[in-house]
Amino acid sequence: AQTVTQSQPEMSVQEAETVTLSCTYDTSESDYYLFWYKQPPSRQMILVIRQEAYKQQNATENRFSVNFQKAAKSFSLKISDSQLGDAAMYFCAYRDDKIIFGKGTRLHILP
Amino acid sequence: SQTIHQWPATLVQPVGSPLSLECTVEGTSNPNLYWYRQAAGRGLQLLFYSVGIGQISSEVPQNLSASRPQDRQFILSSKKLLLSDSGFYLCAWSGQGFAYEQYFGPGTRLTVT
Repeated sequence: AQTVTQSQPEMSVQEAETVTLSCTYDTSESDYYLFWYKQPPSRQMILVIRQEAYKQQNATENRFSVNFQKAAKSFSLKISDSQLGDAAMYFCAYRDDKIIFGKGTRLHILP
Repeated sequence: SQTIHQWPATLVQPVGSPLSLECTVEGTSNPNLYWYRQAAGRGLQLLFYSVGIGQISSEVPQNLSASRPQDRQFILSSKKLLLSDSGFYLCAWSGQGFAYEQYFGPGTRLTVT
């Protein structure tokens, strides 16, 4: 069965610095999709970025980028120039016919 | 554009009372619909998903049930709430097919007393 692991329950980063959140997954499939979601204190889940497994190029959305290593089954999220509004829970998710979420990483931004 | 609504936003119910949470989606047709529960500070637990009207798949056997009476309406119900049903309930939708990401509603905070 597919699994998603986020090994960092909590992280902190200084405002304006860069932080990387880790995610690994396990699957025997070759075709799938990966996502990062953000859940701020309002608890509204917001899609941050998506990556198609068949694409070698890493996805980028403004200050958010991923490092997708398919062979290593790794999908980390890099946040550049961290802002106070980035403070949230971040969930990594894997999808083939079902979507599976990791347990999340709580990110604190230090002013 | 597509929007997803959930109500109520918060709910406090006594043990043994019934429950009905509603989710509606606008701006799309024939979506996949999902119900998740999230305990405080925890990850998401998929409860039910639906690929069409009247088609419900249950992921976790429990005290809850789901129904999809209309294409863009998804209802989570219980006949008798338990204390363990407390949590944050999220509804989500996606397009058909696994290429599509999920979009979430604002959630319902349920406290069973």
